[in-house]
Amino acid sequence: GAGVSQTPSNKVTEKGKYVELRCDPISGHTALYWYRQSLGQGPEFLIYFQGTGAADDSGLPNDRFFAVRPEGSVSTLKIQRTERGDSAVYLCASSLMGLGGLFGELFFGEGSRLTVL
Amino acid sequence: LAKTTQPISMDSYEGQEVNITCSHNNIATNDYITWYQQFPSQGPRFIIQGYKTKVTNEVASLFIPADRKSSTLSLPRVSLSDTAVYYCLVGPPFSGYSTLTFGKGTMLLVSP
Repeated sequence: GAGVSQTPSNKVTEKGKYVELRCDPISGHTALYWYRQSLGQGPEFLIYFQGTGAADDSGLPNDRFFAVRPEGSVSTLKIQRTERGDSAVYLCASSLMGLGGLFGELFFGEGSRLTVL
Repeated sequence: LAKTTQPISMDSYEGQEVNITCSHNNIATNDYITWYQQFPSQGPRFIIQGYKTKVTNEVASLFIPADRKSSTLSLPRVSLSDTAVYYCLVGPPFSGYSTLTFGKGTMLLVSP
């Protein structure tokens, strides 16, 4: 597709369950980011991939959160043993790195709204 | 990392020019300034980026004074559809967006 695609758009789960959120970036974008956004707050950085590898995962809140990008395109954010505090909108973004000597413009998806009951 | 300070909210009317100022007193020599716009239920959208003086595109202008300790996003003749949250980000190039922090942004409300 033309833009960043995220699925599901909405996910309701129960406390303790496992959740996967998928991100399909813009074709050819080597950089992929996951952010989390709570109500009334700005996006909070979680993890950044350059190609297949996680270049920076310093934003992951704890070891219940994990993300993969096995072929350097689609990425999956995985949350184990979900807690009510994990409820938020999870945003994915992609970019062309280093274009014109600057960090490239981030293109965001519409997000996956996760609600943990 | 340079911390940014923006007004929490601003009000305007259709057709007016809106200026949103961002303070970044400890900006580093190699930091760039970037602004994003976010509508409800959507991800943020890139508006403009600059290093110094003035940058203009089809959407907005970005004014950066010589000391670079602040920047002003200028939206000419706003419409109702410009109602959104605007974020100012400051950070170095080549480091990836992991080093950029979205604050709470400025909620701009445009009224008829």
